[in-house]
Amino acid sequence: DQQVKQNSPSLSVQEGRISILNCDYTNSMFDYFLWYKKYPAEGPTFLISISSIKDKNEDGRFTVFLNKSAKHLSLHIVPSQPGDSAVYFCAARPYNQGGKLIFGQGTELSVKP
Amino acid sequence: DAGITQSPRHKVTETGTPVTLRCHQTENHRYMYWYRQDPGHGLRLIHYSYGVKDTDKGEVSDGYSVSRSKTEDFLLTLESATSSQTSVYFCAISGASNYGYTFGSGTRLTVV
Repeated sequence: DQQVKQNSPSLSVQEGRISILNCDYTNSMFDYFLWYKKYPAEGPTFLISISSIKDKNEDGRFTVFLNKSAKHLSLHIVPSQPGDSAVYFCAARPYNQGGKLIFGQGTELSVKP
Repeated sequence: DAGITQSPRHKVTETGTPVTLRCHQTENHRYMYWYRQDPGHGLRLIHYSYGVKDTDKGEVSDGYSVSRSKTEDFLLTLESATSSQTSVYFCAISGASNYGYTFGSGTRLTVV
C-alpha cells in the first residue's frame, strides 16, 4: 500500500508556463512534506519543503501547497525553464520514525523551449 | 565537495554471489539510509541507521543486511544476489536537527 502517490508519471509544459506536480498521501501522521528533484545519473537533491502546520511555502520560482483535508500536496514552478526538466519526487516524513522519508513514484517533467 | 560518496558506481554481478555496497560520509551525520529506485516504485527504503551499530529495517529489507561500525560508513550487503535486486541504490544522510536528506550519486547494480 503506497502511502505517498504521484499518479502522473510524466508532465510536459512549455517554457515560461506554469508546471504543477501533484502528490497524494493516505496517512495523517506526517510532520513534513518535501520535494526532491533528480537528474539522470545523479542522486536526488532537495528542492523545497513544508511543515504539516503550514499550507504554503515559497522559494523563488517554486511554491509548495498543502491541502490537509484533501491529503494533497502540489509543487508549482513558475515560470518553467528547460533546466527544470527532471524527475520530481514528493516525500513525507512520519512522526518519530528516525527521520525516514516515504517517497512517491516520481513525475518526469519535460519543459520544452 | 561531496559529503557523501557511494562505491562502486556501477557493478555487474552473477546471481547467487554476495555483493557489498559502501556509503561513506564526511558530515558526521547521525542518520544514514539505503534506498533503491525502480521504475514505477520511486524510492523505497531498504534499511536505515540512527547511530553506530543501530540499524532498522525499511519497507523492502528482505534479502539485504546492513552494518554501521563507524559513523562515516554504512554498508549494504546482498547476501545472495537475485535478478530482482537489479536496481539503482542510493545512500542518504541527515543530521539530527534537519529533516532533509543529502543523497549520494547512486550505485547501478545489475544481477545477471
